[in-house]
Amino acid sequence: SQQGEEDPQALSIQEGENATMNCSYKTSINNLQWYRQNSGRGLVHLILIRSNEREKHSGRLRVTLDTSKKSSSLLITASRAADTASYFCATEDNYGQNFVFGPGTRLSVLP
Amino acid sequence: DAGVIQSPRHEVTEMGQEVTLRCKPISGHDYLFWYRQTMMRGLELLIYFNNNVPIDDSGMPEDRFSAKMPNASFSTLKIQPSEPRDSAVYFCASSFSQTPTYGYTFGSGTRLTVV
Repeated sequence: SQQGEEDPQALSIQEGENATMNCSYKTSINNLQWYRQNSGRGLVHLILIRSNEREKHSGRLRVTLDTSKKSSSLLITASRAADTASYFCATEDNYGQNFVFGPGTRLSVLP
Repeated sequence: DAGVIQSPRHEVTEMGQEVTLRCKPISGHDYLFWYRQTMMRGLELLIYFNNNVPIDDSGMPEDRFSAKMPNASFSTLKIQPSEPRDSAVYFCASSFSQTPTYGYTFGSGTRLTVV
């Protein structure tokens, strides 16, 4: 089944800096989603971007999608210690049915 | 709504014992998903239901795993007999549709340790 791959695997930044995470996938998609997972908790949906969209914003989050490169990026601006979490991209499987999650990027925001 | 509710939060059991994990989805959600998360394999879809009917169980690792959804408000994932390699965090998620705009709503998970 198709799976997004996040990059980098781990990222450590100072509070106030911007954090950028990337997701690459293999085959055509209709939608791509980003989720956050705090330590010991379930995943929380952040944002969905459709294949006909290039950019979406939600608060301090900015997601871009480049279907020609089969990649997406998640930008968190003015990061806070509370943004420390793992971030996952999810793409549809090869049948366009369920979402398949990548291995995630572990973000650490240092105070 | 209190969200997706899973129980127990933690389970420690001995190898060979039966383990039952429980999930209460969000009312009105027609889809229910069971995932397993490990460091080695990440988040894996085990099985999903639509309107209480199992649709795809191809992710269930072996016959020791079984899942049921007797009604719209309750699902179980059973492992019998349990093995140390089953140690993982098991998540239940629910949604209105298969690929919903607002994503899946996940429970807090059950951390299973088989010793």
